Amino acid sequence: NAGVMQNPRHLVRRRGQEARLRCSPMKGHSHVYWYRQLPEEGLKFMVYLQKENIIDESGMPKERFSAEFPKEGPSILRIQQVVRGDSAAYFCASSPQGSYNSPLHFGNGTRLTVT
Amino acid sequence: GESVGLHLPTLSVQEGDNSIINCAYSNSASDYFIWYKQESGKGPQFIIDIRSNMDKRQGQRVTVLLNKTVKHLSLQIAATQPGDSAVYFCAENTPLGGNKLVFGAGTILRVKS
Repeated sequence: NAGVMQNPRHLVRRRGQEARLRCSPMKGHSHVYWYRQLPEEGLKFMVYLQKENIIDESGMPKERFSAEFPKEGPSILRIQQVVRGDSAAYFCASSPQGSYNSPLHFGNGTRLTVT
Repeated sequence: GESVGLHLPTLSVQEGDNSIINCAYSNSASDYFIWYKQESGKGPQFIIDIRSNMDKRQGQRVTVLLNKTVKHLSLQIAATQPGDSAVYFCAENTPLGGNKLVFGAGTILRVKS
């Protein structure tokens, strides 16, 4: 069974550019979560999605950030007009039933560097 | 301005000894708890979980203890091996505000051979 797949592993963007991070959940998982991690810190919740629906986006900055999980294809985390403070590791996780009933399985992340 | 990251607590143990990693969780309404292990350059890896109706759960070489009275969680690793060196995070599922998993700050475990 393939795990959660994230790409790219590393992404370098100049200030003002757009960053698109992709996540393919594990087979059979319809719940996707995005987390952000700064160096030597824990993971901070950003957004929780099910197919075609955003369930909880309370951790997402109100501007420049958006997420989607279409009926077909991977989940996408999009950051517009990136700034240096967006540099971090972004992790995607999936589960079959949501985090209340089953542990989240994480990908190996995308490391975004904004120059 | 300059940003300063948090310095994670570090636990150093000798190979073969037992390790105990502690975690204080924040929300008394949390009902499901998970320990994750994160190696450098990788995502968090599930170790063991426990529900709030239990006090103790055992896995292979690992035991999780839950004390709801003081909101404390611990992970015990028996016969610690060099491959156990990593950052360990506890996470709590909080039903309030939408059932999301909230992570603690993490503990670095260093195993000395």
